[in-house]
Amino acid sequence: AQKVTQAQTEISVVEKEDVTLDCVYETRDTTYYLFWYKQPPSGELVFLIRRNSFDEQNEISGRYSWNFQKSTSSFNFTITASQVVDSAVYFCALSEASAGNKLTFGGGTRVLVKP
Amino acid sequence: GAVVSQHPSRVICKSGTSVKIECRSLDFQATTMFWYRQFPKQSLMLMATSNEGSKATYEQGVEKDKFLINHASLTLSTLTVTSAHPEDSSFYICSAPAGGGAVTDTQYFGPGTRLTVL
Repeated sequence: AQKVTQAQTEISVVEKEDVTLDCVYETRDTTYYLFWYKQPPSGELVFLIRRNSFDEQNEISGRYSWNFQKSTSSFNFTITASQVVDSAVYFCALSEASAGNKLTFGGGTRVLVKP
Repeated sequence: GAVVSQHPSRVICKSGTSVKIECRSLDFQATTMFWYRQFPKQSLMLMATSNEGSKATYEQGVEKDKFLINHASLTLSTLTVTSAHPEDSSFYICSAPAGGGAVTDTQYFGPGTRLTVL
């Protein structure tokens, strides 16, 4: 069984503050993939990043950064210097090699960035 | 990234009618597509896997006779909600892996269809 937990249901910050979204996963597979998607109010999911289980290198893309720690089964996401346009629901997701492309989503974290 | 479209974006229907939702991969072929349902303020739940040339695979608890899936071509999958009832009102989202369906492929999502059953 696979499971993804996003403990924070909602985070509210003031513009320019940093915000970190937590994601903890469970899987018995040794080969798996982790994703982050952004869902703005329009509803369309926007792909942000994919990381495979053999690549623990952290990644930075502009104001976004991701910290993958296999030891704690976590794949956290940080938005630096948040902006109002970052307001959205962010989903962490997991797919296992044994289950093909099936994605299991976490519950999502709603981020509200206030001006 | 790859582009996936859905039509219609919004539909309102009377209870008992059937509604068809289309999902198209615009710039790539997809032998597999996925259908998700999202209730307000909840996460996405996988309903079924649509397979080109074969029957769809449904997740546990999803009625295959109510949610008919047809993968007509390598770029089109349709979801038909038959005899819709108010409890079927939800946001339906499709996705397709861009790259042939390998486990390493990233899934790209359609913009979603908001179904309201009166």
